[in-house]
Amino acid sequence: NAGVTQTPKFRILKIGQSMTLQCTQDMNHNYMYWYRQDPGMGLKLIYYSVGAGITDKGEVPNGYNVSRSTTEDFPLRLELAAPSQTSVYFCASRLGTSGGQNTQYFGPGTRLTVL
Amino acid sequence: KQEVTQIPAALSVPEGENLVLNCSFTDSAIYNLQWFRQDPGKGLTSLLLIQSSQREQTSGRLNASLDKSSGRSTLYIAASQPGDSATYLCAVQTGTLTFGKGTMLLVSP
Repeated sequence: NAGVTQTPKFRILKIGQSMTLQCTQDMNHNYMYWYRQDPGMGLKLIYYSVGAGITDKGEVPNGYNVSRSTTEDFPLRLELAAPSQTSVYFCASRLGTSGGQNTQYFGPGTRLTVL
Repeated sequence: KQEVTQIPAALSVPEGENLVLNCSFTDSAIYNLQWFRQDPGKGLTSLLLIQSSQREQTSGRLNASLDKSSGRSTLYIAASQPGDSATYLCAVQTGTLTFGKGTMLLVSP
C-alpha cells in the first residue's frame, strides 16, 4: 500500500490564482481530512469527509472547497489564493470509529506559498 | 472548545536519558488520545493511540499514559537515542482531532 499520497509537494501561487491539492489513499478508509500547519502551531482542520459524497467544514474552512466523489480521492480546492493561505497542507485518513480504526494516517504534505 | 497544551515546547537531552513529554486537554469527554511523531519537512506518523477507557499503551521504548479525569497524558521515552529527535504531537479525539502545538525534542550523541 502506498498509504496517503499528496501532490504536488511544493507550489508557489500568485495572489488571486486558484489550484487544487490532490490527495489519494489506497487503504479503503472511510474518513478523510485536510489540515493546515503553520509554523509553531498545531494542525488546524480545514474540511473532512466521512464517506464518498459527504463533506463537512472543520475549524478553518474559509477560502477552501472540497469534494469526495470516490472513497480514494479527496481534493482540496483553493479559490482566489491569498498570502494567509501560505502553509503546509496535510491530508489524512482513518478507517472507522472503533478502537485502532481511529488511528489517522497522514500524507507527506504540500508546501504552498502565496506571493 | 477543546484546547490541547503541550509542555515543554522544546527539550534537549543527551543520549540515553529517559524523558517525559506532557499533554493536557480541557474537555475530558474524549474518545481517544493519540501521540504522533513529525520529522522535519515530513508528515505525521502515529505512535500510540489510547482509548478513553484505557490508562496506558506501550510500544517498544514508548509508553503513553492517560488520566482522562484530570485531562492529562504523558509520553515516556526510555533510553533516548539521536534517532528520536523529532517533534512530538499530542491530539485528542472528540469527533475530530484537536492537536497541541508539539514538543520539539533533540537528543544529542
